[in-house]
Amino acid sequence: DGGITQSPKYLFRKEGQNVTLSCEQNLNHDAMYWYRQDPGQGLRLIYYSQIVNDFQKGDIAEGYSVSREKKESFPLTVTSAQKNPTAFYLCASSRRDRAFFGQGTRLTVV
Amino acid sequence: QKEVEQNSGPLSVPEGAIASLNCTYSDRGSQSFFWYRQYSGKSPELIMSIYSNGDKEDGRFTAQLNKASQYVSLLIRDSQPSDSATYLCAVTHSGGYQKVTFGTGTKLQVIP
Repeated sequence: DGGITQSPKYLFRKEGQNVTLSCEQNLNHDAMYWYRQDPGQGLRLIYYSQIVNDFQKGDIAEGYSVSREKKESFPLTVTSAQKNPTAFYLCASSRRDRAFFGQGTRLTVV
Repeated sequence: QKEVEQNSGPLSVPEGAIASLNCTYSDRGSQSFFWYRQYSGKSPELIMSIYSNGDKEDGRFTAQLNKASQYVSLLIRDSQPSDSATYLCAVTHSGGYQKVTFGTGTKLQVIP
């Protein structure tokens, strides 16, 4: 089945640690996105990428980094510089128009 | 000015009523418009798409687009408690790279 796979579903991070969230798609989509969602809030764009080896900062990129070495993959690293990383992270991909989402990763700082 | 704007709500409607959700966008060249539904703790799912001016109906849902006013809306007829969710408006921009931009969503509460 085609789709977007995010892993892990739940992730716990100690303060000061970097963690990487995985996002893989087999839809042959060109564009991929990372969003952060806090409880009761809307989506906020972290990074997006339109093509391989190219990505742009969204509205809240500070403390995050990404790479796009392959069309299928767009991992997000939450660095220690992100002071409040506890949130629900959603990855999406799109081709030409509509976007499709993965199931999300819930990150908690312990 | 935000690229895609929605009232965050909550919008409360009684069961059986019509819920009306609204969205405005800033890019006049936008070409494609979508409504997503997101239940609490879940990822958004696409429920409607519309590409040309006018109305598009799918079951209890009607999407309305007015490009001159840069306005898109979603009507939910015979609202059910199961419709209680956050509804996200999304717009695809013009240009070579068709980036999809989401509004922050409107929370809908259907009261039994």
